[in-house]
Amino acid sequence: DGGITQSPKYLFRKEGQNVTLSCEQNLNHDAMYWYRQDPGQGLRLIYYSQIVNDFQKGDIAEGYSVSREKKESFPLTVTSAQKNPTAFYLCASSPRTGAAVTSQYFGPGTRLLVL
Amino acid sequence: AQSVTQLDSHVSVSEGTPVLLRCNYSSSYSPSLFWYVQHPNKGLQLLLKYTSAATLVKGINGFEAEFKKSETSFHLTKPSAHMSDAAEYFCVVSDKGGGADGLTFGKGTHLIIQP
Repeated sequence: DGGITQSPKYLFRKEGQNVTLSCEQNLNHDAMYWYRQDPGQGLRLIYYSQIVNDFQKGDIAEGYSVSREKKESFPLTVTSAQKNPTAFYLCASSPRTGAAVTSQYFGPGTRLLVL
Repeated sequence: AQSVTQLDSHVSVSEGTPVLLRCNYSSSYSPSLFWYVQHPNKGLQLLLKYTSAATLVKGINGFEAEFKKSETSFHLTKPSAHMSDAAEYFCVVSDKGGGADGLTFGKGTHLIIQP
């Protein structure tokens, strides 16, 4: 089965701790994205990557970091600098970016809670 | 700049009656428009998309949407609601060729189906 997997489903963070959310896709997509979802606010873009070893900040990148060492993987680290990390985090991918319009495919999400 | 407004945060209908979820957009260019559905604690699933072809777009699960440029609207409809349609629905606009940072999400409409 092709798709996007995110792990873990639930994640707990202690004060001052960095945590990493996993996102893996086997769709052979070039672009990958991380969104944060808060109640009543829709989705907001944190980071995106169009190609391996390259990524760009989205609208709310502060307190987050990413890497894109492999095409299939785009992990998100929530650092201690992110003061309000409690949210539902969604990873997505798409076949290509630029001139062609494509849909994004979403993973099942990770819910991050602060202890 | 682009933006999208979902006119209702909650919509409640009875099972078997029509569904109307309203979406208005603004865009500097010819936009692409999408509707996504999200069931509780799940990722987003694409329902349908408009990309400058036919203005009436048919999607999955009996949903359809009509692109009306003069009204800058892209409302989602379904003739007869089913209990399984209860979910959160997001209208999404892109006028940057669907590129990596080109999507703007509405804040969502929560669809409630009364038995």
